[in-house]
Amino acid sequence: KAGVTQTPRYLIKTRGQQVTLSCSPISGHRSVSWYQQTPGQGLQFLFEYFSETQRNKGNFPGRFSGRQFSNSRSEMNVSTLELGDSALYLCASSPGPNYGYTFGSGTRLTVV
Amino acid sequence: DAKTTQPNSMESNEEEPVHLPCNHSTISGTDYIHWYRQLPSQGPEYVIHGLTSNVNNRMASLAIAEDRKSSTLILHRATLRDAAVYYCIPYFTWGAQKLVFGQGTRLTINP
Repeated sequence: KAGVTQTPRYLIKTRGQQVTLSCSPISGHRSVSWYQQTPGQGLQFLFEYFSETQRNKGNFPGRFSGRQFSNSRSEMNVSTLELGDSALYLCASSPGPNYGYTFGSGTRLTVV
Repeated sequence: DAKTTQPNSMESNEEEPVHLPCNHSTISGTDYIHWYRQLPSQGPEYVIHGLTSNVNNRMASLAIAEDRKSSTLILHRATLRDAAVYYCIPYFTWGAQKLVFGQGTRLTINP
């Protein structure tokens, strides 16, 4: 079956712009989470959605937001991009609390 | 969030067993222990998880100490493809649905 699909794979943006990243979870998975990975901070939790509701949010500024649609697809948005937002953004989905998460390959965002 | 301690790096030889330790002495009674690994240039990959009993799947085995303060991920016969960073993560199933990644153990497999 298809895995977690993230688009685009690579993105280059300019400081001050905004960006939207997309994630299609595995069919039937209702929980979708987002993570940021940087060399300095490692993997950090951004937020988690379940049935279109944000259940949990990590320690990131309000410039980072997300949403989940009725088909469980999710998007995350970063406004007013800063150089420090350059990172690999990973999406993960899970069928429920007693299961592991399946991660996508990520979107590599470079802010110049 | 429960804290974990893992060796920064380990090295093993191909076709030999590998035992990856993790200390999670502050784990709560309801936290599962999840293991993930991340191969170069890829997203993390789920390996295995358990609560109290030892667990086996096609990828690995998970041995959990009786007091649950430590666990060991066992790769029975390492291959070059097992070279990755391995993360041990206590996960509270009924609370905040998030994985808190530490620094993990970088596993090198020698041919």
